[in-house]
Amino acid sequence: KAGVTQTPRYLIKTRGQQVTLSCSPISGHRSVSWYQQTPGQGLQFLFEYFSETQRNKGNFPGRFSGRQFSNSRSEMNVSTLELGDSALYLCASSSEGRGTQYFGPGTRLLVL
Amino acid sequence: AQTVTQSQPEMSVQEAETVTLSCTYDTSESDYYLFWYKQPPSRQMILVIRQEAYKQQNATENRFSVNFQKAAKSFSLKISDSQLGDAAMYFCAYRSNPNTGNQFYFGTGTSLTVIP
Repeated sequence: KAGVTQTPRYLIKTRGQQVTLSCSPISGHRSVSWYQQTPGQGLQFLFEYFSETQRNKGNFPGRFSGRQFSNSRSEMNVSTLELGDSALYLCASSSEGRGTQYFGPGTRLLVL
Repeated sequence: AQTVTQSQPEMSVQEAETVTLSCTYDTSESDYYLFWYKQPPSRQMILVIRQEAYKQQNATENRFSVNFQKAAKSFSLKISDSQLGDAAMYFCAYRSNPNTGNQFYFGTGTSLTVIP
Protein backbone atom coordinates (compact mmCIF):
# COMPACT_ATOMS: atom_id res chain seq x y z
CA LYS A 1 0.00 0.00 0.00
CA ALA A 2 1.13 3.51 -0.67
CA GLY A 3 1.98 5.51 2.43
CA VAL A 4 0.57 8.77 3.65
CA THR A 5 1.26 11.58 1.21
CA GLN A 6 1.29 15.29 1.90
CA THR A 7 1.37 18.18 -0.50
CA PRO A 8 3.06 20.49 -0.87
CA ARG A 9 6.29 19.49 0.82
CA TYR A 10 7.55 23.03 1.21
CA LEU A 11 5.74 26.32 1.31
CA ILE A 12 6.75 29.93 1.83
CA LYS A 13 4.09 32.47 2.71
CA THR A 14 3.97 35.96 4.12
CA ARG A 15 2.18 37.17 7.22
CA GLY A 16 -1.52 37.65 6.77
CA GLN A 17 -1.85 35.16 3.94
CA GLN A 18 -3.68 31.89 4.22
CA VAL A 19 -2.52 28.41 3.33
CA THR A 20 -4.07 25.04 2.60
CA LEU A 21 -2.23 21.79 3.15
CA SER A 22 -3.35 18.45 1.83
CA CYS A 23 -3.05 14.93 3.15
CA SER A 24 -3.95 11.64 1.49
CA PRO A 25 -4.14 8.77 3.97
CA ILE A 26 -3.23 5.18 3.45
CA SER A 27 -5.93 3.41 1.47
CA GLY A 28 -8.63 2.16 3.82
CA HIS A 29 -7.71 4.47 6.68
CA ARG A 30 -10.58 6.68 7.75
CA SER A 31 -8.89 8.60 10.54
CA VAL A 32 -6.60 11.51 9.73
CA SER A 33 -4.82 13.57 12.36
CA TRP A 34 -2.78 16.72 12.01
CA TYR A 35 0.16 17.84 14.13
CA GLN A 36 2.30 20.93 14.28
CA GLN A 37 5.98 20.35 15.06
CA THR A 38 8.28 23.16 16.13
CA PRO A 39 11.64 23.09 17.92
CA GLY A 40 10.24 24.94 20.89
CA GLN A 41 6.85 23.26 21.36
CA GLY A 42 7.52 19.79 20.02
CA LEU A 43 4.65 17.83 18.51
CA GLN A 44 1.31 19.41 19.14
CA PHE A 45 -2.00 17.86 18.17
CA LEU A 46 -4.18 20.02 15.97
CA PHE A 47 -7.22 17.89 15.19
CA GLU A 48 -8.46 14.53 14.06
CA TYR A 49 -11.03 13.73 11.40
CA PHE A 50 -12.93 10.50 11.04
CA SER A 51 -15.52 9.84 8.39
CA GLU A 52 -15.66 13.54 7.45
CA THR A 53 -16.28 14.63 11.05
CA GLN A 54 -13.90 16.34 13.41
CA ARG A 55 -13.61 13.93 16.31
CA ASN A 56 -10.90 15.55 18.42
CA LYS A 57 -9.42 19.01 18.56
CA GLY A 58 -6.28 20.36 20.14
CA ASN A 59 -5.71 23.72 21.71
CA PHE A 60 -5.16 25.91 18.67
CA PRO A 61 -6.88 29.15 17.66
CA GLY A 62 -9.75 29.20 15.21
CA ARG A 63 -7.37 30.27 12.44
CA PHE A 64 -6.52 26.60 12.16
CA SER A 65 -9.24 24.56 10.54
CA GLY A 66 -9.60 21.38 8.61
CA ARG A 67 -11.92 19.14 6.75
CA GLN A 68 -12.11 15.64 5.43
CA PHE A 69 -13.62 14.47 2.20
CA SER A 70 -15.60 11.34 1.47
CA ASN A 71 -12.46 9.62 0.14
CA SER A 72 -10.77 10.32 3.51
CA ARG A 73 -8.38 12.88 2.07
CA SER A 74 -7.99 15.78 4.43
CA GLU A 75 -7.06 19.41 4.13
CA MET A 76 -5.84 21.78 6.76
CA ASN A 77 -6.21 25.52 6.42
CA VAL A 78 -4.47 28.28 8.31
CA SER A 79 -5.78 31.79 7.83
CA THR A 80 -4.11 35.09 8.65
CA LEU A 81 -0.69 33.53 8.96
CA GLU A 82 1.63 34.62 11.73
CA LEU A 83 5.38 34.21 11.99
CA GLY A 84 4.85 31.66 14.76
CA ASP A 85 2.98 29.40 12.39
CA SER A 86 6.27 28.46 10.76
CA ALA A 87 6.56 24.76 11.44
CA LEU A 88 6.55 21.26 10.09
CA TYR A 89 2.96 20.10 9.70
CA LEU A 90 2.54 16.37 9.95
CA CYS A 91 -0.42 14.33 8.91
CA ALA A 92 -1.05 10.82 10.17
CA SER A 93 -3.63 8.24 9.26
CA SER A 94 -4.87 5.14 11.00
CA SER A 95 -7.49 2.46 10.71
CA GLU A 96 -9.85 1.78 13.54
CA GLY A 97 -9.02 -1.05 15.86
CA ARG A 98 -5.28 -1.36 15.71
CA GLY A 99 -4.90 2.36 16.20
CA THR A 100 -1.36 2.79 14.97
CA GLN A 101 -0.81 6.12 13.29
CA TYR A 102 1.30 6.26 10.16
CA PHE A 103 2.82 9.58 9.33
CA GLY A 104 3.37 11.42 6.10
CA PRO A 105 6.61 13.23 5.25
CA GLY A 106 5.23 16.55 6.40
CA THR A 107 4.83 19.99 4.91
CA ARG A 108 7.39 22.55 5.99
CA LEU A 109 5.78 25.97 6.17
CA LEU A 110 7.83 29.13 6.43
CA VAL A 111 6.04 32.38 7.17
CA LEU A 112 7.99 35.55 6.38
CA ALA B 1 -5.41 15.02 29.73
CA GLN B 2 -2.77 12.38 29.51
CA THR B 3 0.85 13.45 29.69
CA VAL B 4 3.95 11.73 28.37
CA THR B 5 7.37 12.53 29.79
CA GLN B 6 10.73 11.80 28.25
CA SER B 7 13.31 12.94 30.75
CA GLN B 8 16.35 12.42 28.51
CA PRO B 9 16.59 15.16 25.87
CA GLU B 10 19.78 13.62 24.48
CA MET B 11 21.43 10.24 24.61
CA SER B 12 24.46 8.73 22.92
CA VAL B 13 25.57 5.17 22.37
CA GLN B 14 28.56 3.46 20.84
CA GLU B 15 27.87 1.50 17.70
CA ALA B 16 27.00 -2.14 18.51
CA GLU B 17 26.19 -1.28 22.13
CA THR B 18 22.81 -1.19 23.85
CA VAL B 19 20.90 1.90 24.91
CA THR B 20 17.67 2.42 26.80
CA LEU B 21 15.41 5.41 26.33
CA SER B 22 13.00 6.28 29.14
CA CYS B 23 9.36 7.25 29.00
CA THR B 24 6.75 7.72 31.69
CA TYR B 25 3.14 8.65 31.30
CA ASP B 26 0.24 9.71 33.41
CA THR B 27 -3.23 8.32 32.92
CA SER B 28 -6.26 7.13 34.82
CA GLU B 29 -7.29 4.81 32.02
CA SER B 30 -6.74 1.08 32.06
CA ASP B 31 -6.99 0.44 28.34
CA TYR B 32 -4.59 2.27 26.08
CA TYR B 33 -1.76 1.90 23.62
CA LEU B 34 1.85 2.99 23.78
CA PHE B 35 4.20 3.62 20.90
CA TRP B 36 7.75 4.55 20.10
CA TYR B 37 8.29 6.53 16.93
CA LYS B 38 11.59 7.43 15.31
CA GLN B 39 12.19 10.63 13.37
CA PRO B 40 15.50 10.67 11.49
CA PRO B 41 16.93 13.83 9.96
CA SER B 42 14.77 13.20 6.87
CA ARG B 43 11.85 14.15 9.20
CA GLN B 44 9.61 11.19 8.30
CA MET B 45 8.14 9.74 11.49
CA ILE B 46 8.46 5.98 11.52
CA LEU B 47 6.78 3.54 13.88
CA VAL B 48 9.33 1.56 15.85
CA ILE B 49 7.19 -0.50 18.18
CA ARG B 50 3.78 -0.57 19.86
CA GLN B 51 2.40 -2.06 23.05
CA GLU B 52 -1.18 -2.70 24.08
CA ALA B 53 -1.72 -2.02 27.76
CA TYR B 54 -3.72 -5.20 28.29
CA LYS B 55 -0.79 -7.34 27.17
CA GLN B 56 1.65 -8.26 29.89
CA GLN B 57 4.28 -9.48 27.48
CA ASN B 58 6.74 -6.82 26.38
CA ALA B 59 6.73 -6.08 22.65
CA THR B 60 9.79 -6.87 20.56
CA GLU B 61 10.72 -5.92 17.02
CA ASN B 62 14.10 -7.25 15.98
CA ARG B 63 16.70 -5.16 17.84
CA PHE B 64 14.04 -3.04 19.53
CA SER B 65 12.24 -4.08 22.67
CA VAL B 66 10.27 -2.37 25.39
CA ASN B 67 10.06 -2.68 29.14
CA PHE B 68 6.43 -1.96 29.95
CA GLN B 69 5.69 -1.45 33.62
CA LYS B 70 1.98 -0.70 33.81
CA ALA B 71 1.79 -0.07 37.54
CA ALA B 72 4.74 2.29 37.38
CA LYS B 73 3.42 3.86 34.14
CA SER B 74 6.78 3.37 32.55
CA PHE B 75 7.54 2.43 28.95
CA SER B 76 11.22 2.32 28.06
CA LEU B 77 12.74 1.42 24.72
CA LYS B 78 15.84 -0.73 24.47
CA ILE B 79 17.89 -0.69 21.30
CA SER B 80 20.36 -3.54 21.05
CA ASP B 81 23.37 -3.71 18.73
CA SER B 82 22.98 -0.01 17.90
CA GLN B 83 23.61 0.97 14.30
CA LEU B 84 24.47 4.30 12.72
CA GLY B 85 21.03 4.32 11.12
CA ASP B 86 19.43 4.35 14.56
CA ALA B 87 20.51 7.96 15.04
CA ALA B 88 17.31 9.95 15.23
CA MET B 89 14.85 11.68 17.50
CA TYR B 90 12.73 9.14 19.35
CA PHE B 91 9.24 9.98 20.53
CA CYS B 92 7.17 8.08 23.04
CA ALA B 93 3.43 8.31 22.42
CA TYR B 94 0.23 7.40 24.25
CA ARG B 95 -3.12 6.68 22.70
CA SER B 96 -6.37 6.23 24.56
CA ASN B 97 -8.82 3.45 23.95
CA PRO B 98 -10.01 3.70 20.33
CA ASN B 99 -13.59 4.23 21.50
CA THR B 100 -12.61 7.68 22.71
CA GLY B 101 -11.09 8.79 19.46
CA ASN B 102 -7.66 8.74 18.00
CA GLN B 103 -5.78 11.45 19.86
CA PHE B 104 -2.15 10.74 20.48
CA TYR B 105 -0.08 12.37 23.17
CA PHE B 106 3.62 12.68 22.46
CA GLY B 107 6.61 13.20 24.68
CA THR B 108 9.16 15.87 23.90
CA GLY B 109 11.56 13.40 22.34
CA THR B 110 15.03 12.01 22.95
CA SER B 111 17.76 12.74 20.44
CA LEU B 112 19.91 9.65 20.01
CA THR B 113 23.44 9.91 18.67
CA VAL B 114 25.26 6.77 17.59
CA ILE B 115 29.04 7.03 17.85
CA PRO B 116 31.04 4.99 15.33
